[in-house]
Amino acid sequence: DAGITQSPRHKVTETGTPVTLRCHQTENHRYMYWYRQDPGHGLRLIHYSYGVKDTDKGEVSDGYSVSRSKTEDFLLTLESATSSQTSVYFCAISAGSEKLFFGSGTQLSVL
Amino acid sequence: GNSVTQMEGPVTLSEEAFLTINCTYTATGYPSLFWYVQYPGEGLQLLLKATKADDKGSNKGFEATYRKETTSFHLEKGSVQVSDSAVYFCALSGGRDNYGQNFVFGPGTRLSVLP
Repeated sequence: DAGITQSPRHKVTETGTPVTLRCHQTENHRYMYWYRQDPGHGLRLIHYSYGVKDTDKGEVSDGYSVSRSKTEDFLLTLESATSSQTSVYFCAISAGSEKLFFGSGTQLSVL
Repeated sequence: GNSVTQMEGPVTLSEEAFLTINCTYTATGYPSLFWYVQYPGEGLQLLLKATKADDKGSNKGFEATYRKETTSFHLEKGSVQVSDSAVYFCALSGGRDNYGQNFVFGPGTRLSVLP
């Protein structure tokens, strides 16, 4: 199994508070992604990174920011959490376009 | 843009029944096609893939054939087991340089297999 660790695994927070989710990899893969999973929508890409300090937006990036200061870490920040951001968040990594490896997910509840 | 359509289910089968989950795609160029599986409480993991037309991907008794003429990649298994209960996602990778946009997922199909 690919070495991907997401933290925290579960988080409950209040509307308007900042939240940061962390993804850590030990595979030295170039590409890292953040997805959210919601019923009826499958997985939707939030942001991705193609190298240190190189990031770009996905289809549902509003309200989210990311940072990648090291190859192994990719942070997802909700600057001011809203109830619509209650979801399961998955980090994924890839060495190219052939295959994604996923973390175990973070269940985020915004009350 | 690229897109993937699949039957959303849920699909409920008895053990040893035949499984088909339909998947069709829209894409420019020549995408690679994937089936990912998600077991309860876990992240997605690759089940099988096919990278060009007429290729057949297979793994753990599951098969899918890349049909360019019908833009389809249907998942099949001849005899399902209770342990196959999971959510199955069809996906494509567009092969463009913009890797962040490369992976497009369908909405997922929940499969429940009853003993």
